[in-house]
Amino acid sequence: SQKIEQNSEALNIQEGKTATLTCNYTNYSPAYLQWYRQDPGRGPVFLLLIRENEKEKRKERLKVTFDTTLKQSLFHITASQPADSATYLCAFNYGGSQGNLIFGKGTKLSVKP
Amino acid sequence: DAGVTQSPTHLIKTRGQQVTLRCSPKSGHDTVSWYQQALGQGPQFIFQYYEEEERQRGNFPDRFSGHQFPNYSSELNVNALLLGDSALYLCASSLRFDQPQHFGDGTRLSIL
Repeated sequence: SQKIEQNSEALNIQEGKTATLTCNYTNYSPAYLQWYRQDPGRGPVFLLLIRENEKEKRKERLKVTFDTTLKQSLFHITASQPADSATYLCAFNYGGSQGNLIFGKGTKLSVKP
Repeated sequence: DAGVTQSPTHLIKTRGQQVTLRCSPKSGHDTVSWYQQALGQGPQFIFQYYEEEERQRGNFPDRFSGHQFPNYSSELNVNALLLGDSALYLCASSLRFDQPQHFGDGTRLSIL
């Protein structure tokens, strides 16, 4: 069965630095993947979607890459701020499973001032 | 423009009981998905409803059932509650199955 692994449970960085979060998957490539942000006690909030034929997507200080050879997606936050502190989830969708998102466990990011 | 709303926000039940959770999708969205999120884990897909029918189902027993109404709102029912059913139950809506999903803040279900 398909599995998703987010490389670390927690990541601590200094304000102003770039945070890089990793998401790996097994077996065949998903049709697309998404990144979400989740704050304590709240539901996930959609950030970015990237399809299998796209290598990179950007939105303001956020960047997502999708490498089907490495079976990996990287999520970058540049010029990080304490307000970026949250848990970040990657989620994959596989062709034919229409809407069935498979989530990783998430990485808790802490940005220290 | 209201986003996804879920009720109740918190619920305490005992083993063996039954529970119904409710969800109103974001305005204009016709597809509703339900997820279970245990503490420290990512959300796990339960099922998805579109046009009042269950279209996709995850690896959950038949104790978990749902319904979608003509106005696109949805209910999640869980029978014969187990201690392991304690979790945050999230509802998400989207306009199409392959579009980003908008999540509510969930119902925190505790089983005693």
